[in-house]
Amino acid sequence: QKEVEQDPGPLSVPEGAIVSLNCTYSNSAFQYFMWYRQYSRKGPELLMYTYSSGNKEDGRFTAQVDKSSKYISLFIRDSQPSDSATYLCAMKGTGNTGNQFYFGTGTSLTVIP
Amino acid sequence: SAVISQKPSRDICQRGTSLTIQCQVDSQVTMMFWYRQQPGQSLTLIATANQGSEATYESGFVIDKFPISRPNLTFSTLTVSNMSPEDSSIYLCSVWGTGAMGAQYFGPGTRLLVL
Repeated sequence: QKEVEQDPGPLSVPEGAIVSLNCTYSNSAFQYFMWYRQYSRKGPELLMYTYSSGNKEDGRFTAQVDKSSKYISLFIRDSQPSDSATYLCAMKGTGNTGNQFYFGTGTSLTVIP
Repeated sequence: SAVISQKPSRDICQRGTSLTIQCQVDSQVTMMFWYRQQPGQSLTLIATANQGSEATYESGFVIDKFPISRPNLTFSTLTVSNMSPEDSSIYLCSVWGTGAMGAQYFGPGTRLLVL
């Protein structure tokens, strides 16, 4: 079983739609959760990060962590064509789990004008 | 956040040759990381580059194939040696940001195609 599972998509939505991107994980020791956005031919760009459970909002983006279900989500409201990219989730533990980051395979998103 | 640059941005190489990728950070950092990103796969950590000591390699990666240098706190190189088409990938340099959470920041990547 992979440490992190992410639906690769591709996901195609009309402009203005609400987008939901999700990852599941198996290691209950993960404490830090991140979302990266990667445009074509670019490196991953940190979009959101949260610690433990709960929600975090930043503009049109909301990150949710449900540790009881081992499930994290990224919501994009009022999606724009400029949001078209691959979104990767990542997570990290503490202490004995080491400092290694575990990444999902990425979900490809296209927002159609 | 850290600003990271990589050289070259892309290259096409012949099998059996070697390529050295450079990574420069705009601030001093203790650890730098090298990842490989292949289509449809998650980012794979190759090694952690520590200043003043040998790099720490992950399972499946060896120093003879991926020698790493870390001469100071802002610079590192990764060499892909004796390349084969299976080495075709994007190679990414990354660092930890400052602060309690220490999220990772990535360079723009080096796209490598081995013929």
